[in-house]
Amino acid sequence: DGGITQSPKYLFRKEGQNVTLSCEQNLNHDAMYWYRQDPGQGLRLIYYSQIVNDFQKGDIAEGYSVSREKKESFPLTVTSAQKNPTAFYLCASSLTSGSFETQYFGPGTRLLVL
Amino acid sequence: QQQVKQSPQSLIVQKGGISIINCAYENTAFDYFPWYQQFPGKGPALLIAIRPDVSEKKEGRFTISFNKSAKQFSLHIMDSQPGDSATYFCAASYTGGFKTIFGAGTRLFVKA
Repeated sequence: DGGITQSPKYLFRKEGQNVTLSCEQNLNHDAMYWYRQDPGQGLRLIYYSQIVNDFQKGDIAEGYSVSREKKESFPLTVTSAQKNPTAFYLCASSLTSGSFETQYFGPGTRLLVL
Repeated sequence: QQQVKQSPQSLIVQKGGISIINCAYENTAFDYFPWYQQFPGKGPALLIAIRPDVSEKKEGRFTISFNKSAKQFSLHIMDSQPGDSATYFCAASYTGGFKTIFGAGTRLFVKA
């Protein structure tokens, strides 16, 4: 059963704490993405990776970091520098990063600040 | 120039009616325009997509109309059903751009 898994479903962060969101795909896709979703603002790109060991900043990368050590995994760390982290985080993947590629999304992680 | 403007923000339609969501863009380099559907608490999923060499694409009850000269495209949902209640995102991307630009989303509610 192929797809994208994200964990945890809910995550609580304390002030000054770094937290890591997991994203795994078994679709054998080269490209992976992280988006942040806030009400009324659509999906905003945080980071994307076209291939293993390579990634680029998206539109709102400040306060976030990623790694891409394996093709199937693209974890996102929300650092203490991100002052407003409460949001719904979506991971996606596509076969390549080409224009006509469908992006397949995971079920999301909702991050809340305690 | 990288924006995709989507309207309305929310939409209420009677069962059996037509739902229409509009999007506009500025960047003429965009060459792929997908629509994604998202149910509450879930990730978006591709619904239908169009390239600018055609003016219309239909899949079942869902139709994309594309107006290249006006730089606008729209999603029409015919015979809207309560199960269509979801958030719809238009999007755009271009060859070599590596990114997909999403609209702000439209929350559709279909009344039974």
